[in-house]
Amino acid sequence: GQQVMQIPQYQHVQEGEDFTTYCNSSTTLSNIQWYKQRPGGHPVFLIQLVKSGEVKKQKRLTFQFGEAKKNSSLHITATQTTDVGTYFCAGDNQGGKLIFGQGTELSVKP
Amino acid sequence: KAGVTQTPRYLIKTRGQQVTLSCSPISGHRSVSWYQQTPGQGLQFLFEYFSETQRNKGNFPGRFSGRQFSNSRSEMNVSTLELGDSALYLCASSSPSGGYIQYFGAGTRLSVL
Repeated sequence: GQQVMQIPQYQHVQEGEDFTTYCNSSTTLSNIQWYKQRPGGHPVFLIQLVKSGEVKKQKRLTFQFGEAKKNSSLHITATQTTDVGTYFCAGDNQGGKLIFGQGTELSVKP
Repeated sequence: KAGVTQTPRYLIKTRGQQVTLSCSPISGHRSVSWYQQTPGQGLQFLFEYFSETQRNKGNFPGRFSGRQFSNSRSEMNVSTLELGDSALYLCASSSPSGGYIQYFGAGTRLSVL
């Protein structure tokens, strides 16, 4: 079945450093979504990428969707303590069923 | 607009018992999905209901079941609980017009003793 792999599992950075998490699907996706879950909270939608090669930015966050629509990345520039949490990618290859990656847990040392 | 509401927030059960969790979606959302979240396994898809019909199903045993009512509210039932069922159960609602973006509830934390 479809699998979505996400690396790294954990990332510890010093405040101000950059952070990147990568997501790879075993199948071509119709779209990919990214979510953030703060400690003790629930996943919150960040962004959806639909087009091959798409790049979207949200302030310090940059999201990319691969040309083959099988991989994606999230890059955070100059991390802040407010960026702490687990970042999940979720792949959709048919309406209604999302397969989530394992998540990357980001910790930021002030 | 009210968000997704899950009840109860916390549950403690013993092995062999059964449990029912409830989820009220965002008004107008007809799709409700359930996920199990554990530290080692991440977010695992259980099933999705759309207009009272189960449309997608994950790889969970038959002890996990669900249903959706005409008002889109959904319930999830787990029978014959096992220790390994201890987890955070998250419900998410979505709509086709919204690209099936998942709006999650706060979850129900189930502990099986």
